Amino acid sequence: DIQMTQSPSSLSANVGDRVSITCRASQGIRKDLGWYQQKPGQAPKRLIYSATNLQGGAPSRFSGSISGADFILTISSLQPEDVATYYCLQHNSYPYTFGQGTKLEIK
Amino acid sequence: QVQLVQSGAEVKKPGASVKVSCKTSGYTFIGYPMYWVRQAPGQGLDWMGWINPNTGATYYVQKFEGRVTMTRDTSSDTAYMELSSLTSDDTAVYYCSLILPSDYWGQGTLVIVSS
Repeated sequence: DIQMTQSPSSLSANVGDRVSITCRASQGIRKDLGWYQQKPGQAPKRLIYSATNLQGGAPSRFSGSISGADFILTISSLQPEDVATYYCLQHNSYPYTFGQGTKLEIK
Repeated sequence: QVQLVQSGAEVKKPGASVKVSCKTSGYTFIGYPMYWVRQAPGQGLDWMGWINPNTGATYYVQKFEGRVTMTRDTSSDTAYMELSSLTSDDTAVYYCSLILPSDYWGQGTLVIVSS
Protein backbone atom coordinates (compact mmCIF):
# COMPACT_ATOMS: atom_id res chain seq x y z
CA ASP A 1 0.00 0.00 0.00
CA ILE A 2 1.14 3.55 -0.66
CA GLN A 3 1.67 5.49 2.55
CA MET A 4 0.95 9.21 2.55
CA THR A 5 2.94 11.01 5.23
CA GLN A 6 1.36 14.38 5.92
CA SER A 7 2.94 17.17 7.91
CA PRO A 8 2.51 19.00 10.12
CA SER A 9 -0.30 17.35 12.06
CA SER A 10 -1.38 20.73 13.37
CA LEU A 11 -0.62 24.31 12.47
CA SER A 12 -1.43 27.66 14.01
CA ALA A 13 -0.94 30.83 12.00
CA ASN A 14 -2.07 34.45 11.79
CA VAL A 15 -4.65 35.80 9.41
CA GLY A 16 -2.82 36.86 6.27
CA ASP A 17 0.03 34.39 6.72
CA ARG A 18 1.21 32.09 3.99
CA VAL A 19 0.90 28.47 5.15
CA SER A 20 1.96 25.21 3.60
CA ILE A 21 1.05 21.58 4.22
CA THR A 22 3.05 18.69 2.79
CA CYS A 23 2.28 15.12 1.80
CA ARG A 24 5.01 12.69 0.86
CA ALA A 25 4.13 9.48 -0.94
CA SER A 26 6.00 6.26 -0.17
CA GLN A 27 6.26 5.58 -3.89
CA GLY A 28 5.60 7.40 -7.12
CA ILE A 29 2.02 8.52 -7.68
CA ARG A 30 2.51 10.75 -10.72
CA LYS A 31 0.08 13.63 -10.12
CA ASP A 32 -2.72 11.42 -8.82
CA LEU A 33 -3.37 13.41 -5.68
CA GLY A 34 -6.11 15.62 -4.34
CA TRP A 35 -6.26 18.01 -1.40
CA TYR A 36 -9.40 18.15 0.73
CA GLN A 37 -10.70 20.57 3.32
CA GLN A 38 -12.99 19.35 6.06
CA LYS A 39 -14.76 21.64 8.50
CA PRO A 40 -16.31 20.26 11.70
CA GLY A 41 -19.55 18.41 11.08
CA GLN A 42 -19.19 18.62 7.31
CA ALA A 43 -18.15 16.27 4.54
CA PRO A 44 -14.73 16.85 2.98
CA LYS A 45 -14.49 19.16 0.01
CA ARG A 46 -11.81 18.96 -2.65
CA LEU A 47 -9.68 22.05 -3.19
CA ILE A 48 -7.04 20.74 -5.56
CA TYR A 49 -7.12 17.89 -8.07
CA SER A 50 -4.34 16.25 -10.03
CA ALA A 51 -1.89 17.76 -7.53
CA THR A 52 -1.81 21.24 -9.02
CA ASN A 53 -5.25 22.11 -10.39
CA LEU A 54 -7.65 24.34 -8.50
CA GLN A 55 -11.10 22.82 -8.09
CA GLY A 56 -13.89 24.92 -9.53
CA GLY A 57 -15.33 27.14 -6.82
CA ALA A 58 -12.29 26.90 -4.56
CA PRO A 59 -10.73 30.24 -3.58
CA SER A 60 -7.69 31.22 -5.60
CA ARG A 61 -5.58 31.61 -2.45
CA PHE A 62 -5.29 27.81 -2.43
CA SER A 63 -2.69 26.22 -4.67
CA GLY A 64 -0.99 22.87 -5.10
CA SER A 65 2.56 22.19 -6.12
CA ILE A 66 5.10 19.39 -6.34
CA SER A 67 8.67 19.44 -5.12
CA GLY A 68 10.44 16.18 -5.71
CA ALA A 69 8.47 13.56 -3.82
CA ASP A 70 6.56 16.16 -1.83
CA PHE A 71 3.09 17.42 -2.66
CA ILE A 72 2.38 20.80 -1.16
CA LEU A 73 -0.84 22.65 -0.43
CA THR A 74 -0.30 26.37 0.05
CA ILE A 75 -2.68 29.02 1.30
CA SER A 76 -1.28 32.32 0.14
CA SER A 77 -3.08 34.50 2.68
CA LEU A 78 -4.81 32.69 5.53
CA GLN A 79 -8.40 33.69 6.18
CA PRO A 80 -10.54 32.95 9.25
CA GLU A 81 -12.81 30.70 7.19
CA ASP A 82 -9.84 28.46 6.36
CA VAL A 83 -9.93 26.96 9.85
CA ALA A 84 -10.38 23.27 9.08
CA THR A 85 -8.58 19.96 8.79
CA TYR A 86 -6.84 19.30 5.51
CA TYR A 87 -6.16 15.91 3.94
CA CYS A 88 -4.34 14.65 0.90
CA LEU A 89 -5.60 11.60 -0.99
CA GLN A 90 -3.59 9.53 -3.45
CA HIS A 91 -5.60 7.78 -6.14
CA ASN A 92 -2.75 6.34 -8.14
CA SER A 93 -3.14 2.76 -6.97
CA TYR A 94 -5.38 0.69 -4.76
CA PRO A 95 -6.02 1.01 -1.97
CA TYR A 96 -6.40 4.77 -2.20
CA THR A 97 -4.94 6.34 0.91
CA PHE A 98 -5.41 9.57 2.80
CA GLY A 99 -2.78 11.47 4.70
CA GLN A 100 -3.26 11.69 8.44
CA GLY A 101 -4.64 15.21 8.30
CA THR A 102 -3.47 18.69 9.31
CA LYS A 103 -5.56 20.70 11.72
CA LEU A 104 -5.24 24.39 10.89
CA GLU A 105 -6.07 27.04 13.45
CA ILE A 106 -5.84 30.81 13.70
CA LYS A 107 -3.49 32.29 16.31
CA GLN B 1 -27.61 19.33 -9.56
CA VAL B 2 -25.81 16.28 -8.26
CA GLN B 3 -27.09 15.05 -4.91
CA LEU B 4 -26.10 12.13 -2.71
CA VAL B 5 -28.56 11.61 0.12
CA GLN B 6 -27.68 9.04 2.74
CA SER B 7 -29.83 7.14 5.18
CA GLY B 8 -30.14 8.19 8.78
CA ALA B 9 -28.07 7.44 11.84
CA GLU B 10 -27.99 3.92 13.21
CA VAL B 11 -27.27 2.39 16.60
CA LYS B 12 -26.20 -1.22 16.49
CA LYS B 13 -25.06 -3.81 18.98
CA PRO B 14 -21.70 -5.53 18.65
CA GLY B 15 -21.88 -8.41 16.21
CA ALA B 16 -24.74 -6.91 14.24
CA SER B 17 -24.72 -5.60 10.68
CA VAL B 18 -25.57 -2.19 9.27
CA LYS B 19 -26.62 -1.21 5.76
CA VAL B 20 -26.19 2.40 4.69
CA SER B 21 -27.92 3.69 1.57
CA CYS B 22 -26.89 6.51 -0.75
CA LYS B 23 -29.67 7.79 -3.01
CA THR B 24 -28.29 9.70 -5.98
CA SER B 25 -29.75 12.17 -8.45
CA GLY B 26 -28.64 14.74 -10.99
CA TYR B 27 -26.21 12.59 -12.97
CA THR B 28 -25.93 9.27 -14.76
CA PHE B 29 -25.69 6.80 -11.88
CA ILE B 30 -24.05 4.02 -13.86
CA GLY B 31 -21.44 6.36 -15.32
CA TYR B 32 -19.21 6.85 -12.27
CA PRO B 33 -17.78 4.67 -9.50
CA MET B 34 -19.19 5.23 -6.03
CA TYR B 35 -16.64 5.39 -3.26
CA TRP B 36 -17.14 4.81 0.45
CA VAL B 37 -15.11 6.57 3.13
CA ARG B 38 -15.47 6.44 6.89
CA GLN B 39 -14.32 8.64 9.73
CA ALA B 40 -14.17 7.53 13.33
CA PRO B 41 -14.87 10.22 15.95
CA GLY B 42 -11.99 12.69 16.08
CA GLN B 43 -10.01 10.66 13.57
CA GLY B 44 -8.95 10.96 9.95
CA LEU B 45 -10.53 9.75 6.73
CA ASP B 46 -10.41 6.05 5.90
CA TRP B 47 -11.04 4.87 2.33
CA MET B 48 -13.09 1.67 2.28
CA GLY B 49 -13.50 0.82 -1.39
CA TRP B 50 -15.74 1.37 -4.38
CA ILE B 51 -18.43 -0.09 -6.56
CA ASN B 52 -18.87 0.27 -10.28
CA PRO B 53 -22.63 0.89 -10.52
CA ASN B 54 -22.68 -0.22 -14.15
CA THR B 55 -21.19 -3.67 -13.70
CA GLY B 56 -21.50 -4.21 -9.97
CA ALA B 57 -17.75 -4.80 -9.72
CA THR B 58 -16.28 -3.90 -6.37
CA TYR B 59 -12.97 -3.22 -4.70
CA TYR B 60 -12.66 -3.49 -0.94
CA VAL B 61 -9.76 -2.41 1.21
CA GLN B 62 -8.22 -5.53 2.66
CA LYS B 63 -8.96 -4.67 6.28
CA PHE B 64 -12.69 -4.66 5.47
CA GLU B 65 -12.58 -7.73 3.23
CA GLY B 66 -15.07 -10.35 4.36
CA ARG B 67 -17.12 -7.84 6.36
CA VAL B 68 -18.12 -5.24 3.80
CA THR B 69 -20.48 -5.59 0.86
CA MET B 70 -21.14 -2.78 -1.58
CA THR B 71 -24.15 -3.11 -3.85
CA ARG B 72 -26.32 -0.95 -6.03
CA ASP B 73 -29.84 -0.72 -7.38
CA THR B 74 -29.82 0.80 -10.84
CA SER B 75 -33.60 1.07 -10.88
CA SER B 76 -33.49 3.60 -8.04
CA ASP B 77 -29.98 5.00 -8.58
CA THR B 78 -29.03 3.99 -5.06
CA ALA B 79 -25.78 2.59 -3.70
CA TYR B 80 -25.49 0.56 -0.52
CA MET B 81 -22.72 -0.32 1.89
CA GLU B 82 -23.26 -3.11 4.37
CA LEU B 83 -20.80 -3.82 7.17
CA SER B 84 -21.14 -6.92 9.30
CA SER B 85 -19.72 -8.26 12.56
CA LEU B 86 -19.67 -4.76 13.98
CA THR B 87 -17.41 -3.80 16.87
CA SER B 88 -17.01 -0.54 18.73
CA ASP B 89 -14.14 0.27 16.36
CA ASP B 90 -16.70 0.58 13.57
CA THR B 91 -18.36 3.55 15.26
CA ALA B 92 -17.89 6.24 12.63
CA VAL B 93 -19.49 8.51 10.08
CA TYR B 94 -19.77 6.72 6.76
CA TYR B 95 -19.75 8.74 3.53
CA CYS B 96 -20.60 7.84 -0.03
CA SER B 97 -18.77 9.98 -2.54
CA LEU B 98 -18.03 10.62 -6.16
CA ILE B 99 -14.41 11.59 -5.73
CA LEU B 100 -13.26 10.85 -9.27
CA PRO B 101 -13.40 12.66 -11.57
CA SER B 102 -15.68 15.11 -9.76
CA ASP B 103 -16.20 15.81 -6.07
CA TYR B 104 -19.58 15.13 -4.53
CA TRP B 105 -20.24 13.69 -1.09
CA GLY B 106 -23.20 12.49 0.83
CA GLN B 107 -24.00 14.15 4.13
CA GLY B 108 -22.63 11.20 6.07
CA THR B 109 -24.32 8.52 8.15
CA LEU B 110 -23.36 8.12 11.79
CA VAL B 111 -23.17 4.50 12.88
CA ILE B 112 -22.78 3.90 16.60
CA VAL B 113 -21.88 0.43 17.81
CA SER B 114 -22.63 0.02 21.47
CA SER B 115 -23.90 -2.66 23.78
